[in-house]
Amino acid sequence: GAGVSQSPSNKVTEKGKDVELRCDPISGHTALYWYRQSLGQGLEFLIYFQGNSAPDKSGLPSDRFSAERTGGSVSTLTIQRTQQEDSAVYLCASSAATGSRTQYFGPGTRLTVL
Amino acid sequence: AQRVTQPEKLLSVFKGAPVELKCNYSYSGSPELFWYVQYSRQRLQLLLRHISRESIKGFTADLNKGETSFHLKKPFAQEEDSAMYYCALVPSGTYKYIFGTGTRLKVLA
Repeated sequence: GAGVSQSPSNKVTEKGKDVELRCDPISGHTALYWYRQSLGQGLEFLIYFQGNSAPDKSGLPSDRFSAERTGGSVSTLTIQRTQQEDSAVYLCASSAATGSRTQYFGPGTRLTVL
Repeated sequence: AQRVTQPEKLLSVFKGAPVELKCNYSYSGSPELFWYVQYSRQRLQLLLRHISRESIKGFTADLNKGETSFHLKKPFAQEEDSAMYYCALVPSGTYKYIFGTGTRLKVLA
């Protein structure tokens, strides 16, 4: 495939609603990462998958955040009961299992919670 | 604790001037270090990796283990270098990235 894709590109939701963000990694990449990019905050690590398992969930900010990955490919980041402070750009990246650890980033999903 | 520090949030230089974006890291082992760049309205992308010892778009970065630094340098800045730059560390044996908070570089005409 072309590269990492994410959908939707923009999401506007009301406070208290649940949202799902999707990431399609590069075919064959076993490692997948979610980050949050807030204005002035840089890149905040959320969670990392190796295959379908998540060895490191330490970055998830609260139990309202969860993520899953199925078939070693597509991943979904779910935010329940969204709050205004969840507004940010959510980035997904993938990398190959061996050799270079170079990450390839998606275009991001801009989430706005009203 | 493993950490990457980019002390400057914003760095402004004039076109043709040298530029140095600072990156310091805290890690006891042998890390793999990267610089990523995000140009306006583009996705974040790899600029260079320390193990490649390459020069990309005129940028170089040398790993200094004694000073635990991986500063990004370019002798003559161009306006198209204006972007957000992130330094990142990957501890050996892992795939977890630790990013710095980023430095916005503005190259003035």
